[in-house]
Amino acid sequence: GAVVSQHPSRVICKSGTSVKIECRSLDFQATTMFWYRQFPKQSLMLMATSNEGSKATYEQGVEKDKFLINHASLTLSTLTVTSAHPEDSSFYICSAPSLRGTAGELFFGEGSRLTVL
Amino acid sequence: KQEVTQIPAALSVPEGENLVLNCSFTDSAIYNLQWFRQDPGKGLTSLLLIQSSQREQTSGRLNASLDKSSGRSTLYIAASQPGDSATYLCAVLVQGAQKLVFGQGTRLTINP
Repeated sequence: GAVVSQHPSRVICKSGTSVKIECRSLDFQATTMFWYRQFPKQSLMLMATSNEGSKATYEQGVEKDKFLINHASLTLSTLTVTSAHPEDSSFYICSAPSLRGTAGELFFGEGSRLTVL
Repeated sequence: KQEVTQIPAALSVPEGENLVLNCSFTDSAIYNLQWFRQDPGKGLTSLLLIQSSQREQTSGRLNASLDKSSGRSTLYIAASQPGDSATYLCAVLVQGAQKLVFGQGTRLTINP
């Protein structure tokens, strides 16, 4: 079964509103989680690294004030898209590294499809 | 900067054929290489993970190889089935970090 869960799986919002996406590690603790964005028919691009207890690390070109990341606990990271615009419509996926089993293995959530009208 | 390229971008073959998907990366300083499957509108399913010290991994009809020195990996799918239709993504874990760099994917269609 899934070890990383995302919610909601789909969300539609009006332009200018904010949307929060949750990423939970279900049976393990994750001090680090990763947020990716995927545009249609394109690959995944890393947006930011979420760190429990400290600020997130953003990739070049990603607006930290627009994409707010909060690593509230060892099992929860949230991504808030603030003042969403149609160009923010995308598929957002989070991942967390496994601290057991295969070293360097990352587990991915089911993804959240955001549509901004 | 690590870049990952997958060839071909799309592939359509009849059911039952064996096929090979290719992945290349520019920087050999990787921790591991992973192959994922993505169905339309869905998240990622991990297929195989090859550590940098390994040459290949096998799971059922899937076999992945890694040649780190040349920056190449292949995913071999034997006796393809319509249920194998999906996008296959290759990703490398950058050494010293936990960042995955993804290729553009190969969209595979297996025709009954």
